[in-house]
Amino acid sequence: KNEVEQSPQNLTAQEGEFITINCSYSVGISALHWLQQHPGGGIVSLFMLSSGKKKHGRLIATINIQEKHSSLHITASHPRDSAVYICAVKSPTSTQGGSEKLVFGKGTKLTVNP
Amino acid sequence: NAGVMQNPRHLVRRRGQEARLRCSPMKGHSHVYWYRQLPEEGLKFMVYLQKENIIDESGMPKERFSAEFPKEGPSILRIQQVVRGDSAAYFCASSPQRGWRETQYFGPGTRLLVL
Repeated sequence: KNEVEQSPQNLTAQEGEFITINCSYSVGISALHWLQQHPGGGIVSLFMLSSGKKKHGRLIATINIQEKHSSLHITASHPRDSAVYICAVKSPTSTQGGSEKLVFGKGTKLTVNP
Repeated sequence: NAGVMQNPRHLVRRRGQEARLRCSPMKGHSHVYWYRQLPEEGLKFMVYLQKENIIDESGMPKERFSAEFPKEGPSILRIQQVVRGDSAAYFCASSPQRGWRETQYFGPGTRLLVL
């Protein structure tokens, strides 16, 4: 079982629909990231969360630390939102020399049709 | 302020050749991470470096792979004697310092194809 699980794997929506992508993780974390990978392959960091909720434009990210779960919401979806959305977690650094590595989910491929 | 730069963007090598992938972090960033994305798979951590130091190489294959981040110049991921299974997208990310609050900024990636 992967440490980070995303659902759904694939999602097709009509323009204007409200989108939710889910991420569950099984390890203790210090932070959770949502990333966007466009068809061209470039990766953009959307959010970094350690608690609560963050909003940027039409994107909203929430995290529930107790339930080890995060969601990414897109309101009023648009074809340009079509991309792969990736959840990644960072484990706490227990020592000064500890790792800063991210552990990634497999991604959710979102297609928004006009 | 230029973002993270990687070159080349595409690299074709024949089996047995060497591949050198370069990553220039964002200005002011001294922490570099390398990740690999195999076809149809998720991103996987390879190595985390600070200037002149390897901090965590737990994701690096034991043989043929090495990484460095010298005091001057870009970080280099080197793959010796490439095999077809090395074909993947290699992404570099950087951050200004360590710590859980730090966002990692990703480069555009290098797509390596081994013939």
